[in-house]
Parts: sequence; structure tokens; C-alpha cells
Amino acid sequence: EPEVTQTPSHQVTQMGQEVILRCVPISNHLYFYWYRQILGQKVEFLVSFYNNEISEKSEIFDDQFSVERPDGSNFTLKIRSTKLEDSAMYFCASSLRSGKETQYFGPGTRLLVL
Amino acid sequence: SQKIEQNSEALNIQEGKTATLTCNYTNYSPAYLQWYRQDPGRGPVFLLLIRENEKEKRKERLKVTFDTTLKQSLFHITASQPADSATYLCALDTDSSASKIIFGSGTRLSIRP
Repeated sequence: EPEVTQTPSHQVTQMGQEVILRCVPISNHLYFYWYRQILGQKVEFLVSFYNNEISEKSEIFDDQFSVERPDGSNFTLKIRSTKLEDSAMYFCASSLRSGKETQYFGPGTRLLVL
Repeated sequence: SQKIEQNSEALNIQEGKTATLTCNYTNYSPAYLQWYRQDPGRGPVFLLLIRENEKEKRKERLKVTFDTTLKQSLFHITASQPADSATYLCALDTDSSASKIIFGSGTRLSIRP
């Protein structure tokens, strides 16, 4: 069964450094998403992406975040200058049709900012 | 304000019994509601989606109901097994958004042998 994959599974970085989290969505899906989950808290929406542009973003997704689909398979989340409070699990998801359909999640990248 | 509430943080039941989890929402008019399973340190895994015009949906031992008048969804696992132990999340779309889904905080279900 097709799956969303994410790399790396864990990332440790120093405050102020840039990180890039990578995702390979399910191959025929058209909509892509990033969510984050701070330890012990809810899964929170960050951004959705369709047709090579951002469809929607939350208030969390400020100027330090960016997303890109550099080729036909990868979808990346970049955090330009990490802060301690960016430490969380980051989940990529994809859906086949419109955003109002089931979203399939990857296993996550655990980001720790020191 | 908009809220999604799942009935309890944790639910502990005996193997073989039916587990019933509740999701209530206020100030939303979702077109659909989803239930996901999340194991520790893993991503949410989709279980079931129910639309606003559907009252009930089933998949194997799982059953979901959706009452838009009560603004509530119930999630049932019949003949529960220890392997069903996980956190269960409800999620709904927001009428103001084309793509965002909002998650509840989850109910941690433990099935004891």
C-alpha cells in the first residue's frame, strides 16, 4: 500500500540554524500538507500546498517557514532560523483530490532544537 | 469560540468489551469528520471518514456515528483487543477553509487483557 515517507526520522539542531524536513507524498496525490505536534499537545495544521503554491497557512507558519516541491516527488519544509519552541514532531500528509478529502500522514520527523 | 473536545484524556476497558469515544464540537459546521489512530511517536493513521449527510459508518470492528444536531460523533470499537490500545483523534474540516483539518486532543485508550 502506498505510504507517505519522511526523512530524517530525527533531527537535532542548534538554535538559529536552518533545517529542511523532507517528505515524499503518495505518488498520485495532488494536495500536500505539513502539521506539527508539540510533545503532549494536539496535531496542528501549518500549511497546505496545491499546484505549486501555498493554498492556506496557519498563524504558526510565519516568515521563518517555507515549503517547496523541488521536483516531482519531494515536498520540503524549511525552517530558516530555528527557535527552541520549534521542537516538535513534524508530519507531512497528502490527499488525492481536494483538501476536503482524507489526508494520509507520514511517520513524522522529530525535531529537537537546542 | 470554536472547540473540539474529546470526552476524556484516557479510557481503560476490559478486552472484549466495546470502547466508545466521544467527539463534541462547537461553532463549527463541518462537512465531514474523521477518526485517526495515533501510536506513541508515530503519525496519525486514518481510520474512518463520515460525511454530514451520513448517520453511521462501519469498517470491520469500528463504527462511527455523526449527529450534526448534537454536534457530536461517537466512535465505537467492538470486541476490543489489547492491540487497539492507542490514542484516537477526531478531526474535522473547517467551513472557512479549503484544506485545513482541525484535530481534537485525543483520547488515550487502553485495553487490558
